[in-house]
Amino acid sequence: GAGVSQSPRYKVAKRGQDVALRCDPISGHVSLFWYQQALGQGPEFLTYFQNEAQLDKSGLPSDRFFAERPEGSVSTLKIQRTQQEDSAVYLCASSQPWAQDLGYTFGSGTRLTVV
Amino acid sequence: GIQVEQSPPDLILQEGANSTLRCNFSDSVNNLQWFHQNPWGQLINLFYIPSGTKQNGRLSATTVATERYSLLYISSSQTTDSGVYFCAVGGGYQKVTFGIGTKLQVIP
Repeated sequence: GAGVSQSPRYKVAKRGQDVALRCDPISGHVSLFWYQQALGQGPEFLTYFQNEAQLDKSGLPSDRFFAERPEGSVSTLKIQRTQQEDSAVYLCASSQPWAQDLGYTFGSGTRLTVV
Repeated sequence: GIQVEQSPPDLILQEGANSTLRCNFSDSVNNLQWFHQNPWGQLINLFYIPSGTKQNGRLSATTVATERYSLLYISSSQTTDSGVYFCAVGGGYQKVTFGIGTKLQVIP
């Protein structure tokens, strides 16, 4: 597609519920990133994929967080047994690693509220 | 990991004024990007600039990698420039670390 698409745009989850957030990157973009942004803060790195390979998951805050990109395009970030501290905006970005310009294109994000 | 410091944290400008935002980083970088986050939360990539100078309309950026800083210049500011400006840096070519941002408000 022309841009990075994320869904849903908003998600309200009850504490303890599992959620799945979807990211559809720019067509052909090999690199895909997930970031978490708390209110008033800068985005914080969660995980990075190159094609279907998850090359870095050092930012995932706990084993309740899981990300996948099985066919090297669409990615899903899953959060199990959501907690209130998981409330944040989850941002997805894609880029082309072998281009001269490695700049990210971000999606609009998913705002998760855990109640 | 790399530390990123941005200044000033907050900035209020009269429409038409110029400004300079600064980003200091703690280690050598291969990836440096400037972003604008508008009031609706959308992050827009302004520049990919690990070194050198680039210009795009009223915006320009300079990175002096040897001295570990980057500057973003905004000239003839407009109300639509309001939002938060982030610097993001990475030692490798992929993952970047964001600063806390500079919150800019342009008043008419």
